[in-house]
Amino acid sequence: GAGVSQSPSNKVTEKGKDVELRCDPISGHTALYWYRQRLGQGLEFLIYFQGNSAPDKSGLPSDRFSAERTGESVSTLTIQRTQQEDSAVYLCASSSRPIYGYTFGSGTRLTVV
Amino acid sequence: KQEVTQIPAALSVPEGENLVLNCSFTDSAIYNLQWFRQDPGKGLTSLLLIQSSQREQTSGRLNASLDKSSGRSTLYIAASQPGDSATYLCAVRPGSEKLVFGKGTKLTVNP
Repeated sequence: GAGVSQSPSNKVTEKGKDVELRCDPISGHTALYWYRQRLGQGLEFLIYFQGNSAPDKSGLPSDRFSAERTGESVSTLTIQRTQQEDSAVYLCASSSRPIYGYTFGSGTRLTVV
Repeated sequence: KQEVTQIPAALSVPEGENLVLNCSFTDSAIYNLQWFRQDPGKGLTSLLLIQSSQREQTSGRLNASLDKSSGRSTLYIAASQPGDSATYLCAVRPGSEKLVFGKGTKLTVNP
């Protein structure tokens, strides 16, 4: 497709379970970001991948959070032992060259019950 | 450290008004600036992208300006409509580093 695709669109999980969120960036986009947005709050940076460089993980809130990306393709964000405070919309964005700006996906709404 | 501030945090206007949303950033060494729109419970939709060498960009009723030296950008919306109601986010890109977002301006256009 032409846009950034995220799946699932909605996920309800029980506290303590692990979840995996997926992001399919636009083909050829070397940069990929994950952000988190809690209800009524601003965007919180999580992790940034740029080509084959080491990812910038400075925004990950705890060691329960991890993300992987193979080359310039799909990325997965994994949250282990989910907590209620992990409930949020998780947004993914990708970009090719800096002059072209960023395109965001529609997000995954995660609810931990 | 780059910081982005958006004023006002919320704005309510009657339909038909022209309005201006403000964005300021602390470090003028940016690659570009992007304005986004976010509807409740949705992702971000890109509205306008201004490169650091540009002064403004226009799309329909929207016009965004950039004054890099003073660290300011404005988003002008002409003849506002109820469908313009959303949160508007400004983000700057410092070189190849991660985007830095403001907290947004929540706009309500009343019929």
